[in-house]
Amino acid sequence: DAGVIQSPRHEVTEMGQEVTLRCKPISGHNSLFWYRQTMMRGLELLIYFNNNVPIDDSGMPEDRFSAKMPNASFSTLKIQPSEPRDSAVYFCASSLQGGGSPLHFGNGTRLTVT
Amino acid sequence: GEDVEQSLFLSVREGDSSVINCTYTDSSSTYLYWYKQEPGAGLQLLTYIFSNMDMKQDQRLTVLLNKKDKHLSLRIADTQTGDSAIYFCAEDNFNKFYFGSGTKLNVKP
Repeated sequence: DAGVIQSPRHEVTEMGQEVTLRCKPISGHNSLFWYRQTMMRGLELLIYFNNNVPIDDSGMPEDRFSAKMPNASFSTLKIQPSEPRDSAVYFCASSLQGGGSPLHFGNGTRLTVT
Repeated sequence: GEDVEQSLFLSVREGDSSVINCTYTDSSSTYLYWYKQEPGAGLQLLTYIFSNMDMKQDQRLTVLLNKKDKHLSLRIADTQTGDSAIYFCAEDNFNKFYFGSGTKLNVKP
């Protein structure tokens, strides 16, 4: 299995621009998670989906952030408009819902907003 | 059940054992995990333990769980320079995963 695939690996954009991060979960996994990692706040859960349905988006910072999962093999996290404080590494992870199924992480997208 | 705490740094000499500690607050968590993060990479699952177990051993890794004290530890035997990384503990509470802040392990040759 190729694992969780995220793109792009790096994104540099200017403040005010729209940013779209992409994720392909492991085939067969039915839960998908978006995390943000910064030095100051560590690893924060933004949103997670189960069977393509958003279950908990309480971690989404504000309305500028939105996430979709149109099918079982693809998800996007969009920031519009982006701000410098959004600079972070964004991770996507997937799992098979059920006890003892760990999260499998992608390699992340490093976002820099100037 | 969202407070998972770890010390930030640990420094050991190559060949010594490393012990990384973690405390969590949610007694209903069914599984607890250890992940490793190397620079520029995602979190890689190392091992996990079911909450009704006290100990799990996997080659150089030993996980100890004290459910009464809500304390989890990861022991790495014969620590190597390649073990230098950040180690995260995490608890699984009904498919919501809560992570500690990570412990940066530095292995000196």
